[in-house]
Amino acid sequence: KQEVTQIPAALSVPEGENLVLNCSFTDSAIYNLQWFRQDPGKGLTSLLLIQSSQREQTSGRLNASLDKSSGRSTLYIAASQPGDSATYLCAVSRGTALIFGKGTTLSVSS
Amino acid sequence: GAGVSQSPSNKVTEKGKDVELRCDPISGHTALYWYRQSLGQGLEFLIYFQGNSAPDKSGLPSDRFSAERTGGSVSTLTIQRTQQEDSAVYLCASSLALGGIKNIQYFGAGTRLSVL
Repeated sequence: KQEVTQIPAALSVPEGENLVLNCSFTDSAIYNLQWFRQDPGKGLTSLLLIQSSQREQTSGRLNASLDKSSGRSTLYIAASQPGDSATYLCAVSRGTALIFGKGTTLSVSS
Repeated sequence: GAGVSQSPSNKVTEKGKDVELRCDPISGHTALYWYRQSLGQGLEFLIYFQGNSAPDKSGLPSDRFSAERTGGSVSTLTIQRTQQEDSAVYLCASSLALGGIKNIQYFGAGTRLSVL
């Protein structure tokens, strides 16, 4: 059974810092991996999708990497801003369903 | 519409009552998914639709839960004889198709269900 773990569960940083969020999964047979952002009381916003054949994806200040063989992904956020404060969720796809980690709650102080 | 729309946004019900939750996916998206987000459990998959059929309903927790989709568009999740443990946020997502970049799932804001 696929399990997704995110470390740390919570993170507080001052504005301007670069940071890394970690995601690990137990079964390397995945179709793709997605990173989402969730703001309180709202749905999920897709940030990046990495296909199983890809190693990384970039969007603006965000960079996500994927190492299938070791079952790991990282989300790198450059020059963090208070507006980045949210819960970040990692999810792996088995084709239909997404299997989610429990998220990392990020707080960026100004 | 521009995004995935869910209604109601909040629902309070008494234990034992039936509830219906509605999801209106992004126009043209053939795939539709229901998830449940509860405290301590994280986000759990419930059911997947391709068109009007549900080839994967492996996440439905009991036979009190059912879902349908009509016209390849709107979907309804029904919970019969609600229990307190059904209290959660129910999220709907849709994607253009399966496979590749088309598999990006777009989520609605969810329905917060409270069973008293």
